[in-house]
Amino acid sequence: QMQLQESGPGLLKPSQTLSLSCTVSGGPITSDTVYWSWIRQRPGKGLEWIGYIYTYFSGKMYYNPSLQSRVTISMDKSKNQFSLKMNSVTAADTAIYFCARTPRVITTPTGFDMWGPGSMVTVSS
Amino acid sequence: QSALTQPASVSGSPGQSITISCTGGRRDVGGYNFVSWYQQYPGKAPKFIIYQDNNRPSGVSNRFSGSKSGNTASLTISGLRAEDEADYYCCSYAGSGTLVFGGGTKLTVL
Repeated sequence: QMQLQESGPGLLKPSQTLSLSCTVSGGPITSDTVYWSWIRQRPGKGLEWIGYIYTYFSGKMYYNPSLQSRVTISMDKSKNQFSLKMNSVTAADTAIYFCARTPRVITTPTGFDMWGPGSMVTVSS
Repeated sequence: QSALTQPASVSGSPGQSITISCTGGRRDVGGYNFVSWYQQYPGKAPKFIIYQDNNRPSGVSNRFSGSKSGNTASLTISGLRAEDEADYYCCSYAGSGTLVFGGGTKLTVL
């Protein structure tokens, strides 16, 4: 059974770069039927889609327009991982960060059918 | 890209049915058949319970159903149980490869 697990530093200072990885076990990330996504949830708040990557071909990425200027999603097929980098973090980026699998219909993402447990990231001076 | 609109809270008694609405526009909910719903317990990752407006993933109780009319999608939970008390989120495809969530609804089982 496929599982996802986030990893990365839990505490950052303002202006630093957030870097998280999601390790996928139980199947390859190089599937042509799914995207691989990042979602976050600020404390006590709702879910916010960050972006996703299509790992099958050239690693095409799609990002939330409100975060696009600070976010990069990449993949490492040799480690069966995909990663999130967010630069110039502030306290407003304090959140639980989830990685998730996103099935696609033709090219359309249809939601998030498998999730990692989440990784808490706190930004504080 | 604006968040979809959900009621902050809904409540119901055991055995009753409740409906949670998710309102967007023609650029998201009303423009595509790609609304999904999630159930989230405190401190846990969300669980996928409805996809493509009205489809249930394998293993999800048939007490959960999805529907859509125009720019509003709905999640109905029938035969309400104490274990259904959780937060519920909708999500829609919003064109140009993007996705948008609703603000979430807290369900209280009285």
